[in-house]
Amino acid sequence: DTAVSQTPKYLVTQMGNDKSIKCEQNLGHDTMYWYKQDSKKFLKIMFSYNNKELIINETVPNRFSPKSPDKAHLNLHINSLELGDSAVYFCASRRQADYTFGSGTRLTVV
Amino acid sequence: GESVGLHLPTLSVQEGDNSIINCAYSNSASDYFIWYKQESGKGPQFIIDIRSNMDKRQGQRVTVLLNKTVKHLSLQIAATQPGDSAVYFCAEKGVNTGKLIFGQGTTLQVKP
Repeated sequence: DTAVSQTPKYLVTQMGNDKSIKCEQNLGHDTMYWYKQDSKKFLKIMFSYNNKELIINETVPNRFSPKSPDKAHLNLHINSLELGDSAVYFCASRRQADYTFGSGTRLTVV
Repeated sequence: GESVGLHLPTLSVQEGDNSIINCAYSNSASDYFIWYKQESGKGPQFIIDIRSNMDKRQGQRVTVLLNKTVKHLSLQIAATQPGDSAVYFCAEKGVNTGKLIFGQGTTLQVKP
């Protein structure tokens, strides 16, 4: 019964392709996030949704488009993938001060 | 800009010793701080948190200290075990925002 689940866990794709990462949480949390972790392990917030509404959009290229069909899901679609997009992407959810992270999606662009 | 940083990228300790991992933050308006542990291939896992109205908080084998005067946070792990080997992150949350800002992480290596 994974609380925050992401699919796929690994994704290898060529430059220029379009790909999506899915995230689902069964915790009943209202807020969900996408974080990017680079090769130096630095975690940086990308987006946050609260009840399907975008509330945080950091300086992320518009090739990245989050979509929240309902408050339990927050998907990340990436267009025209570039080598620099290679990273581990983490989904998280929150209620008040309780944050829970998924296990990550390792994206490799070749 | 906002930033949270850690003083050492890697910390190596002997099994059974105590570990101290440090963190400096820059936003004096942050009111909530969390320490996370990240094992290989996994997402960050909550260890312990502290609010800005506290100086110290203890958990099981872990203690977090907050010094608001110098904007410094530390995580102390007692009797470090091989299972404690991981990357440790501090994170801060600003007032009225749900955004967590992470530091760069310290890799803790426990030698048997």
